[in-house]
Amino acid sequence: QVQLQESGPGLVKPSETLSLTCAVSGYSINSGFYWGWIRQFPGKGLEWIGSFYRSGDTYYNPSLKSRVTISVDTSKNQFSLNLSSVTAADTAVYYCARGSTPGIAGSYWGQGTLVTVSS
Amino acid sequence: EIVLTQSPGTLSLSPGERATLSCRASQSVSNNYLAWYQQKPGQAPRLLIYGASSRATGIPDRFSGSGSGTDFTLTISRLEPEDFAVYYCQQYGSSPLFGPGTKVDI
Repeated sequence: QVQLQESGPGLVKPSETLSLTCAVSGYSINSGFYWGWIRQFPGKGLEWIGSFYRSGDTYYNPSLKSRVTISVDTSKNQFSLNLSSVTAADTAVYYCARGSTPGIAGSYWGQGTLVTVSS
Repeated sequence: EIVLTQSPGTLSLSPGERATLSCRASQSVSNNYLAWYQQKPGQAPRLLIYGASSRATGIPDRFSGSGSGTDFTLTISRLEPEDFAVYYCQQYGSSPLFGPGTKVDI
């Protein structure tokens, strides 16, 4: 079955870059669907960060676009999130997910990883 | 920019009762790209409904979605103990956005 697993540092310093990886098993990223990132703030609000399709098209939340990059490593069947110039407001649980549209709406999510921004 | 409002904020019910959750958009949701998710503590959101009214794979038929345009509803026909959770709506068209959630508790 399709499984997604996030990994990366749990603590990032302010002004640095947050980097996470999502390893996918049970399905090839190149076979289709949209793959992306969603985060959930401590107050429980959810925010779509961005996504990509196998064609190379990427889609980003306009409010984060200047700081976000999503990249793919098809040889490892994984994709990554880079979020630059982080502040405490970027503290959240970060999920990777698969969906039928760029906005996701999918049944396959990772378990999530908490990233805290603090010095 | 679309804004999603969910009501009520908290719904206090008992097992066996019917739950009706509302999601209202400030502008029409294109293509009825409206999804509902269930989230329990420590877990990722679980997709229940997509396209406003289509149940996701494996979702029990006591969950149903309806609505179009700006007004959408998630109905749980008879609450089971495992249904007590937080429910989020999401418009997943242009500029994807989540609602603030409705907590269904006992």
